[in-house]
Amino acid sequence: DGGITQSPKYLFRKEGQNVTLSCEQNLNHDAMYWYRQDPGQGLRLIYYSQIVNDFQKGDIAEGYSVSREKKESFPLTVTSAQKNPTAFYLCASSTPGLYTGELFFGEGSRLTVL
Amino acid sequence: LAKTTQPISMDSYEGQEVNITCSHNNIATNDYITWYQQFPSQGPRFIIQGYKTKVTNEVASLFIPADRKSSTLSLPRVSLSDTAVYYCLADSTDSWGKFQFGAGTQVVVTP
Repeated sequence: DGGITQSPKYLFRKEGQNVTLSCEQNLNHDAMYWYRQDPGQGLRLIYYSQIVNDFQKGDIAEGYSVSREKKESFPLTVTSAQKNPTAFYLCASSTPGLYTGELFFGEGSRLTVL
Repeated sequence: LAKTTQPISMDSYEGQEVNITCSHNNIATNDYITWYQQFPSQGPRFIIQGYKTKVTNEVASLFIPADRKSSTLSLPRVSLSDTAVYYCLADSTDSWGKFQFGAGTQVVVTP
């Protein structure tokens, strides 16, 4: 079955450590995204990539980094510079579609800083 | 920032129709309206998309009036499993790659 796989589902980190969240898709989509969601809040865009070897900052990119070396993969690194990293992280991909495209999401990764 | 505004929450009983209105006074000519549904601890999933007039699929209807300043998502005969957060987005191919989510509408369905 095609879809988006995020790992790990749960992650605990000590302050000052970098962590990398994995996102893999087998939908053959060009575009991929990372969103952050805090409790009771909507989704905020961190980074997005429309094509391999290219990515753009979203609204809250500070303290995060990404790479897009393969079409299928778009890992997100939460660096020690991110002041409040505890959140639910969602990866998505999209197809151009007929209109603006449809976003397909993974199951999410919940990061907790101890 | 999201281009849309929605009510924070709505309550309903099973079997009723739920209508969620989304305001988007300043959307661009080439913006489309898309709705997503999100359950707790899951990623959102696409429900429906439209540009003008009415679109219907197996789970919902979307009505967008001619002035396109607002749109209404209609969920017919809701069940307990429709309890979720619903997001309204306005995006175009020009903003492709920057899908902006607002706070969404929490719909609670009770027996």
